[in-house]
Amino acid sequence: DTGVSQNPRHKITKRGQNVTFRCDPISEHNRLYWYRQTLGQGPEFLTYFQNEAQLEKSRLLSDRFSAERPKGSFSTLEIQRTEQGDSAMYLCASSLAGGNYEQYFGPGTRLTVT
Amino acid sequence: DQQVKQNSPSLSVQEGRISILNCDYTNSMFDYFLWYKKYPAEGPTFLISISSIKDKNEDGRFTVFLNKSAKHLSLHIVPSQPGDSAVYFCAASPGNNNNDMRFGAGTRLTVKP
Repeated sequence: DTGVSQNPRHKITKRGQNVTFRCDPISEHNRLYWYRQTLGQGPEFLTYFQNEAQLEKSRLLSDRFSAERPKGSFSTLEIQRTEQGDSAMYLCASSLAGGNYEQYFGPGTRLTVT
Repeated sequence: DQQVKQNSPSLSVQEGRISILNCDYTNSMFDYFLWYKKYPAEGPTFLISISSIKDKNEDGRFTVFLNKSAKHLSLHIVPSQPGDSAVYFCAASPGNNNNDMRFGAGTRLTVKP
């Protein structure tokens, strides 16, 4: 059973650098979501795709954050000019589209900005 | 804004007893509710859900109760087992399209042998 995978699992970067995370969803899932989770909080929705279309991006935290899903399969989340406040766990999830289908989460990428 | 609230950051119960985790929400547009369980170093795992047209959904040892008038839901685990020890997140979404799911801050459940 191939679940949602995320790479890298950990990323340490210096303030001001750009970082990119990758998410590979469950193959038959056409929806893909990105979340951020900070210590002591639940996941916070950032954006989602249906196939290659990004249907919601108003919840991205700033214009330094961007996401792509060019071929409707894997997705990348990029943070430009990282700040210490960007340190968090970044989670990816996937699901089927239409109706209430549960989202399946990956293990997350932990970002530390020094 | 915290539209989904889990006011108990932690809960400790004895093995074999009932665990009750609570969740409150403020947005009356929410009509689909989910519970996720999270172990360390793993992503959240779906546990059980309930639609607003129901007030109870049961799956084995897990039962979710929804009180729409009080905007409150709870997760009951009976009997609790040590393997249930994890962080439990309540989540809610509006409409029939759960692309905007809001999570509570989580409750850490510890089941003692």
